[in-house]
Amino acid sequence: GAVVSQHPSRVICKSGTSVKIECRSLDFQATTMFWYRQFPKQSLMLMATSNEGSKATYEQGVEKDKFLINHASLTLSTLTVTSAHPEDSSFYICSVSSLQELNTEAFFGQGTRLTVV
Amino acid sequence: EDQVTQSPEALRLQEGESSSLNCSYTVSGLRGLFWYRQDPGKGPEFLFTLYSAGEEKEKERLKATLTKKESFLHITAPKPEDSATYLCAVQADRGSTLGRLYFGRGTQLTVWP
Repeated sequence: GAVVSQHPSRVICKSGTSVKIECRSLDFQATTMFWYRQFPKQSLMLMATSNEGSKATYEQGVEKDKFLINHASLTLSTLTVTSAHPEDSSFYICSVSSLQELNTEAFFGQGTRLTVV
Repeated sequence: EDQVTQSPEALRLQEGESSSLNCSYTVSGLRGLFWYRQDPGKGPEFLFTLYSAGEEKEKERLKATLTKKESFLHITAPKPEDSATYLCAVQADRGSTLGRLYFGRGTQLTVWP
C-alpha cells in the first residue's frame, strides 16, 4: 500500500496560535487527500477533501477560515489550524487516494495529536 | 443519509476464544467496504476491502465477509497482539467523492492471555 507520512505526530500549542500539519504521499501521486478528525472513542469524521491545484471542499459545519488546507503538489497537503482553541484539541488524520484507481483504497497517515492549552 | 454502525462497542476475549465483529451499513450504492485496524495514537492500518455481497477475504487470523447489509470480521484463535480498535468504513458509489469514506465508531477489542 501507499506510504503516507504525517508530521508532526504530536503538538502542543497555546490558545490563539496557529498550527500547521503536513501530509506527504511518499510513493503515490495523490490527486486527492482527505483530512479527518477523531475525538476519543468517536468515529473518524471527514473535515475536508483536498484536491491538488484547486480549493478544498469542506464538510458541513467545518469552518474553512479556521482550518486552512493547501494541496500544492501531488505529494503534499497541509492543514493549518488557525487561532486554535482548546476545543480544537483532537486527533487529526490525513488519507490519500488516487482518482486514477478504480475502487481505490484509502491509505492513512500516522495522525497528529493536537493539544491546545 | 449514509450510515455505518459497528457492534459491539467493546469486546474482551480470552486468548484463543474466537468471535466476530459486526458492521451494518446503509449507503446509496456501495463501492467498497473497508476494514481497518487502529492502535492507540496511530492512524488506521488497512486490512481488507470487500466489493460485493458474498465476497470473503482472509489474512492470518482474520476473515472478512460481506452481505448486502452488513459485514463481519471473524477473529479465529486471537492473540493479545490482536488487541486494537477495528474500524469499518464504506465508500459510496453515487454522489460522493471517490475515495471518501464513512466510518463506524469502531469495536475496541481486548485479548487477554
